[in-house]
Amino acid sequence: DAMVIQNPRYQVTQFGKPVTLSCSQTLNHNVMYWYQQKSSQAPKLLFHYYDKDFNNEADTPDNFQSRRPNTSFCFLDIRSPGLGDAAMYLCATSPPSGRTDTQYFGPGTRLTVL
Amino acid sequence: GQNIDQPTEMTATEGAIVQINCTYQTSGFNGLFWYQQHAGEAPTFLSYNVLDGLEEKGRFSSFLSRSKGYSYLLLKELQMKDSASYLCAVSDSNYQLIWGAGTKLIIKP
Repeated sequence: DAMVIQNPRYQVTQFGKPVTLSCSQTLNHNVMYWYQQKSSQAPKLLFHYYDKDFNNEADTPDNFQSRRPNTSFCFLDIRSPGLGDAAMYLCATSPPSGRTDTQYFGPGTRLTVL
Repeated sequence: GQNIDQPTEMTATEGAIVQINCTYQTSGFNGLFWYQQHAGEAPTFLSYNVLDGLEEKGRFSSFLSRSKGYSYLLLKELQMKDSASYLCAVSDSNYQLIWGAGTKLIIKP
């Protein structure tokens, strides 16, 4: 089945210790998104890619970076996690841009910062 | 600024009907989505409205009034598994999704 996969599902890291979250998709979608979602809050868009064209949201902290080496994979790097970065991180994909398309989400990675 | 408003929490009884409202103020409009999100899981797509009116899909229906900046999600014959958060999201003039914080729906037997 075509899907969006995120690994790991649960990640625990130490304060200040870099961490990388991964996302892969078999939907062959051009557009990929990274969201941060805290409890009872709306998902907050961090980055999105149209193919390899990277778009950084204006209020995304510099501590967060992303890589997309190919169509199928996308990574979220948190260089120095703080306690406030504990959240669910959601990866989503959608078909080609230029119109409104449904976003398909992976299961998420829940990040705990100790 | 852009804003999506929906109630924080609602409670309903198994077998009943519930309506979850969403009002929006966005720069442009290219459609409105409803997503369901169970606790600790990712959102899953429920419906998409871009024209005024009611879209029915099984037990779930979604309504849109663009002139009023208003939508609702109607859930019929409620089941315990419908306990979840329901997120309203609007696609703006740049086709970016503006998300509401979600409505937590609690179903009681």
